[in-house]
Amino acid sequence: NAGVTQTPKFQVLKTGQSMTLQCAQDMNHNSMYWYRQDPGMGLRLIYYSASEGTTDKGEVPNGYNVSRLNKREFSLRLESAAPSQTSVYFCASSQGRYNSPLHFGNGTRLTVT
Amino acid sequence: KNEVEQSPQNLTAQEGEFITINCSYSVGISALHWLQQHPGGGIVSLFMLSSGKKKHGRLIATINIQEKHSSLHITASHPRDSAVYICAVSVKTSYDKVIFGPGTSLSVIP
Repeated sequence: NAGVTQTPKFQVLKTGQSMTLQCAQDMNHNSMYWYRQDPGMGLRLIYYSASEGTTDKGEVPNGYNVSRLNKREFSLRLESAAPSQTSVYFCASSQGRYNSPLHFGNGTRLTVT
Repeated sequence: KNEVEQSPQNLTAQEGEFITINCSYSVGISALHWLQQHPGGGIVSLFMLSSGKKKHGRLIATINIQEKHSSLHITASHPRDSAVYICAVSVKTSYDKVIFGPGTSLSVIP
């Protein structure tokens, strides 16, 4: 049982380049999330998807787009990367009922130069 | 002021010591989570609780809803417990919103 799988694990981009972070879960979860983690700060929500076909902005959505391709997959796209987007990105999923435990992927360490 | 705060920020302990990490929050919650993150690793959910106390192995989590405070205790600490411990709270909004604390970095020395 793989849980939540994120790719890639590491990525270096130049300013202005684009990329897509991929996330897939095999737990039949309804809700999926993208967070970023920066030193000294808690995880911050970028976007979430409460169910297949729906997406909504979180706390820090600027500069990002998402796509909930199907129930399993939720991708995060950076159209024009900026150094401020250097961070560790985590995908997570949950059943979507209130107080459901979160299941996290292993993270993507992104550096934008 | 952050809605979820943790103390201490960093903690170094000798192997075998009893460890306490504290979490306080300022919002109404439906549940509180304790998570563990090993260096360079993913994030694992340790506990989710809304009242009282939960125990799993050497880990104990308690919550006092009236005081808006939770503690994570580690008994007989071991170097493999070295990790960042994150407190997070679930807040009922239009979705199951989770607010994360900044984390406590624990290092257990043999």
